[in-house]
Amino acid sequence: DIQMTQSPASLSASLGETVTIECRASEDIYNGLAWYQQKPGKSPQLLIYNANSLHTGVPSRFSGSGSGTQYSLKINSLQSEDVASYFCQQYYDYPYTFGAGTKLELK
Amino acid sequence: EIQLQESGPGLVKPSQSLSLTCSVTGYTITSGYDWSWIRKFPGNKMEWMGYISYSGSTNYNPSLKSRISITRDTSKNQFFLQLNSVTTEDTATYYCASHLILRAYFDYWGQGVMVTVSS
Repeated sequence: DIQMTQSPASLSASLGETVTIECRASEDIYNGLAWYQQKPGKSPQLLIYNANSLHTGVPSRFSGSGSGTQYSLKINSLQSEDVASYFCQQYYDYPYTFGAGTKLELK
Repeated sequence: EIQLQESGPGLVKPSQSLSLTCSVTGYTITSGYDWSWIRKFPGNKMEWMGYISYSGSTNYNPSLKSRISITRDTSKNQFFLQLNSVTTEDTATYYCASHLILRAYFDYWGQGVMVTVSS
């Protein structure tokens, strides 16, 4: 299985700040990576696919980048509604695997 | 818009089978999408369990291959999860989710159902 190592596990940031979350794959996943946001009691919501493509309706302050084994999610100008957990998922190979998640809180 | 909703018992005894239903509205399960089960454990680890394709073929996570079965009822536009011989380690929130064929990122999710395995 491809292992996804996500960091940090938790993150505290101020409104308006830029935050970055990273995922490292145990092998090249050729941009087969998605990012999701999950708020408490809700189902995950797709943010980014193909490593850097913004899903329909997702605010442009979210962006994804990376290649090979290293990927990142950036949130510009943090808003209060961005408080959530974020996790990555590789879909380059079976079985699909997820990162452990990052809990984002307001400072 | 595709909508998915899970249903099933919230409590299962150890060694028994866990059975869940995902009801799909807004799209027919026989075209265009593959239909997955994903679970989130206490502590937030996520695991993709497997999918049934629009054509009815299945693909399972090898970690579950001996215990899992995903089937469907096309007349009801539903698909199902059966997980056999459960233990307390199968306690999790179970989600059904969908993705376009050949694009295995999940753009539609159900709301999730919490299943506890306990005697």
